[in-house]
This record gives sequence, structure tokens and C-alpha cells, in this order.
Amino acid sequence: ETGVTQTPRHLVMGMTNKKSLKCEQHLGHNAMYWYKQSAKKPLELMFVYNFKEQTENNSVPSRFSPECPNSSHLFLHLHTLQPEDSALYLCASSQDWGDEQFFGPGTRLTVL
Amino acid sequence: GENVEQHPSTLSVQEGDSAVIKCTYSDSASNYFPWYKQELGKRPQLIIDIRSNVGEKKDQRIAVTLNKTAKHFSLHITETQPEDSAVYFCAAREGQGFSFIFGKGTRLLVKP
Repeated sequence: ETGVTQTPRHLVMGMTNKKSLKCEQHLGHNAMYWYKQSAKKPLELMFVYNFKEQTENNSVPSRFSPECPNSSHLFLHLHTLQPEDSALYLCASSQDWGDEQFFGPGTRLTVL
Repeated sequence: GENVEQHPSTLSVQEGDSAVIKCTYSDSASNYFPWYKQELGKRPQLIIDIRSNVGEKKDQRIAVTLNKTAKHFSLHITETQPEDSAVYFCAAREGQGFSFIFGKGTRLLVKP
């Protein structure tokens, strides 16, 4: 598969659950990003990884924990989330940080 | 940090008319300004971008203009078609960081 893929596409979880979102890019890019998209709010950058090193963490609560084992894979580990964390979580990648970003299809997360 | 304002939040035009969406930014060091189109249920996709050393860029029916002095940039769509209906996001790359700051989006509706 080409481009940026994300799994799962939809996720419903309780506040006590632990789950992980996965992103994979097949573009040979060096930078990967996690964004949160909520209704009526701008896209919010959560984390940036450049060459597997985290370069940006925009004051994201510790209940969100990113992991980047290599430049093609990015995970977002979730635990003890709140209902207000329900949103579309988008992964993106770019050749280098700050370049044109290619987005994945997103994971629609609902926290009950 | 950077702040991006986008207007209008909704825009309705008749097929064949032009549509203009405007964004302002606050960080004078910002140097890259992409525009994304997001159709319902789909991922954001880059449609055009402009760098700070250029004042205008055009790609068929889409153009972007940048006024660095006034710190604003605009998306122009001519001869609109129903398939142009989507949410459009502007973004600005921070001059001294890895982050993109997005506008809140404009919902464009092109009526046949």
C-alpha cells in the first residue's frame, strides 16, 4: 500500500482502557506527525518526530504517549483518556521536518 | 508563538463564481504557507503552497497570494465546481520551529 496508512480507522474505548493507534508511511519520509482534529477547532499538532527523535511536544497530556521505533512507523499509546479526547487523530509525514505533509486517513476515536 | 486566523468560516457560492479565503498570521518569521482541502470523511490533502520568497503562485483554477508586510495570504478558486465543495485549511510553518499552525478551516459550498 502506498502513502500514509493508519489503523484502526475507528476506535471506541472506555476511560480505563489502554489502546494504541498505528501509523505507517511508505514514502521514505524522515519526519512524522500526530495531529488532533476536533469539531470546530483547528488541527492541533501533538507530536513531531524527525529521524525517530521527538522534536516537538505541544503540551500534550501524559495520557497520550507517542512512540517512533523507526522512520516508517509511528504509534500513539492511549491510556485513561477523557471523553473530551474524542476526536479524529491524524498522522502525517514529510520528507524532512517542515516540508509538505502527507496525511493519513485518520482514526476516529470515541471515548465513553 | 504563531497564530493563524482564517475567514470566512463558511462560504457559499454559485457554480462558476470565484471563491476567496483569507488567512492572517502573526509570526513574521513564518516562511511556508500550505493550503489543504478536506472532503467529508477524508484526509486533508495539499492543494497548493507558497513560500515567503514568492508573492503569488497559480495552479490551474487555484491561486495563492502572499503579502508578507501585512502578514496575510489568500486562496483564490476561479470557475468553482460542485466538487470544490469541502473544508479548506490554511497553515503557516513557524519560522523557528517544527510546527505548522492551522487555521480553523472554511467550509466551502458550491451550489450547482
